[in-house]
Amino acid sequence: GAVVSQHPSRVICKSGTSVKIECRSLDFQATTMFWYRQFPKKSLMLMATSNEGSKATYEQGVEKDKFLINHASLTLSTLTVTSAHPEDSSFYICSAQIYTGVRNQPQHFGDGTRLSIL
Amino acid sequence: DAKTTQPPSMDCAEGRAANLPCNHSTISGNEYVYWYRQIHSQGPQYIIHGLKNNETNEMASLIITEDRKSSTLILPHATLRDTAVYYCIVRLNNNAGNMLTFGGGTRLMVKP
Repeated sequence: GAVVSQHPSRVICKSGTSVKIECRSLDFQATTMFWYRQFPKKSLMLMATSNEGSKATYEQGVEKDKFLINHASLTLSTLTVTSAHPEDSSFYICSAQIYTGVRNQPQHFGDGTRLSIL
Repeated sequence: DAKTTQPPSMDCAEGRAANLPCNHSTISGNEYVYWYRQIHSQGPQYIIHGLKNNETNEMASLIITEDRKSSTLILPHATLRDTAVYYCIVRLNNNAGNMLTFGGGTRLMVKP
């Protein structure tokens, strides 16, 4: 089945550090990737939609200068949490939409990145 | 996208069928029903999706009522590894990469 790889799986760093998370579709092309955030015991909340070759679309309340998204190719999107602070500690998950002519292809998710800011 | 309602939690005995209900009474004609599950500390895993016909794959069966206002995900022989949060989501029918809106899901506990 379709595989989405997310790296790193776990990051622990000091406050003020910028952290980059990569999301790769390993065996398919993805024109659209999504970034979610999940706090403990809560559901996934969409942060932004990343389209290859164009600017990301951010959800209301998500700071685009804080969470930089780059989708430079059909298989890679990156999320950079700039100047991270303890309140940015969360579980970040990406998903990728398969690019085909068939409608309603499911999204496939990475295994998430657990970010802990000290 | 239409909103879904699921029970917050359910228990199931190992080896028995797990039937997870979902209400989506405001679903529109071009919205599909998707099911995902999330095992603790992992990303969501796609299970199955359908429009109006019942669907079956190697993981589960999806039963959609004739009026499409509700559906049931069936895990025919639940195992301990099926313990997870199960999300029922409705999404527009297009290839434009529409986002998935996650609700609270159902926390399924499979017990020995």
